[in-house]
Amino acid sequence: GAVVSQHPSRVICKSGTSVKIECRSLDFQATTMFWYRQFPKQSLMLMATSNEGSKATYEQGVEKDKFLINHASLTLSTLTVTSAHPEDSSFYICSARGTNQETQYFGPGTRLLVL
Amino acid sequence: SQKIEQNSEALNIQEGKTATLTCNYTNYSPAYLQWYRQDPGRGPVFLLLIRENEKEKRKERLKVTFDTTLKQSLFHITASQPADSATYLCARDYGGSQGNLIFGKGTKLSVKP
Repeated sequence: GAVVSQHPSRVICKSGTSVKIECRSLDFQATTMFWYRQFPKQSLMLMATSNEGSKATYEQGVEKDKFLINHASLTLSTLTVTSAHPEDSSFYICSARGTNQETQYFGPGTRLLVL
Repeated sequence: SQKIEQNSEALNIQEGKTATLTCNYTNYSPAYLQWYRQDPGRGPVFLLLIRENEKEKRKERLKVTFDTTLKQSLFHITASQPADSATYLCARDYGGSQGNLIFGKGTKLSVKP
């Protein structure tokens, strides 16, 4: 149990375009979903936290107008990277946590490359 | 601010030996510490969670300890196998109510046959 999926697994886009990444909890209801970013040989850095039906809480230094997060249902959250630039190229990972779960369950990640 | 440190970037051991990874934290003790495994190009996979009031927890060949005096957690893999080769991440709670995690940089374990 506790499976989280992400789509797409890999995306290449041109600078200036927007990219949407989906995160789904497949077998449980995720009251809270988290979005992380990981650069090569670095640890996961939390970008934002979202509760279903509420606005996301962004970490310091993360632009909320650039990284749009929607958590419209208990099984789906989306991250949209708007007007992507090469420096946004990274590994984006989501995680989800249900009401009675102490830990987070992570998706497989999405590799974004902005040319 | 709360920090989590995994001082060893890499650990190389021989198959069959016990791998011991270290995680240190600063400031107050977190309510719990978590250990994850991450393979290249993949998301982390949850392994074990140990609470502040637990000294030790085991799961198959894995053992985790929590020492609030030393502000340290040790992660052991006994009878290590080449398939155990991966990066292992330690994480602590953020201190808030949403269950956010702060991750260490990880230790890359290589088990040689």
